[in-house]
Amino acid sequence: SQKIEQNSEALNIQEGKTATLTCNYTNYSPAYLQWYRQDPGRGPVFLLLIRENEKEKRKERLKVTFDTTLKQSLFHITASQPADSATYLCALHTGGFKTIFGAGTRLFVKA
Amino acid sequence: DAEITQSPRHKITETGRQVTLACHQTWNHNNMFWYRQDLGHGLRLIHYSYGVQDTNKGEVSDGYSVSRSNTEDLPLTLESAASSQTSVYFCASSSTLAGGGGELFFGEGSRLTVL
Repeated sequence: SQKIEQNSEALNIQEGKTATLTCNYTNYSPAYLQWYRQDPGRGPVFLLLIRENEKEKRKERLKVTFDTTLKQSLFHITASQPADSATYLCALHTGGFKTIFGAGTRLFVKA
Repeated sequence: DAEITQSPRHKITETGRQVTLACHQTWNHNNMFWYRQDLGHGLRLIHYSYGVQDTNKGEVSDGYSVSRSNTEDLPLTLESAASSQTSVYFCASSSTLAGGGGELFFGEGSRLTVL
């Protein structure tokens, strides 16, 4: 069956460091992959989209890579700040306009 | 500003009751989705719609139904609420873009407790 895996353990890092989150998937050939941020008690908010023919995408302090051979995406936040603390969700397009999500990784950035 | 709103934000009901969660978007998006979010499972797709009169089942559709009579609204109905349906429900919408890739716009969620 189709599966998306994100590290279920929380990631704790020091302010100013780079946070790296991993998303692995199986039994998919997605045309594109998205990352969302979710704060407690709120709905997810779209951050970045990367297409299958793109290796890397950047937006301000965010960087996403997409390796269709490894079936993996890495999400980086450089110069992290306490305000970056949230849960980050990986999402894949599965055909039509359906999007399915990983369970998310909780990031804590300590001052 | 365009937005997507869900109501009620919190609801407690009893087993066997019918419950309807409302979702209204002013983005004029064709695509609308209902997800449920549970600890350890992430967001799971319940039902989705690509336009008026169109509805489709997602991966966890049993016990739920939707109807799409206009572009703005996609209400989610639990015909006979069960304790297993205690969850946080999110509605989302997206536009129909050439080539796909439309980002999802989410509501703030509806927390449902079934006793």
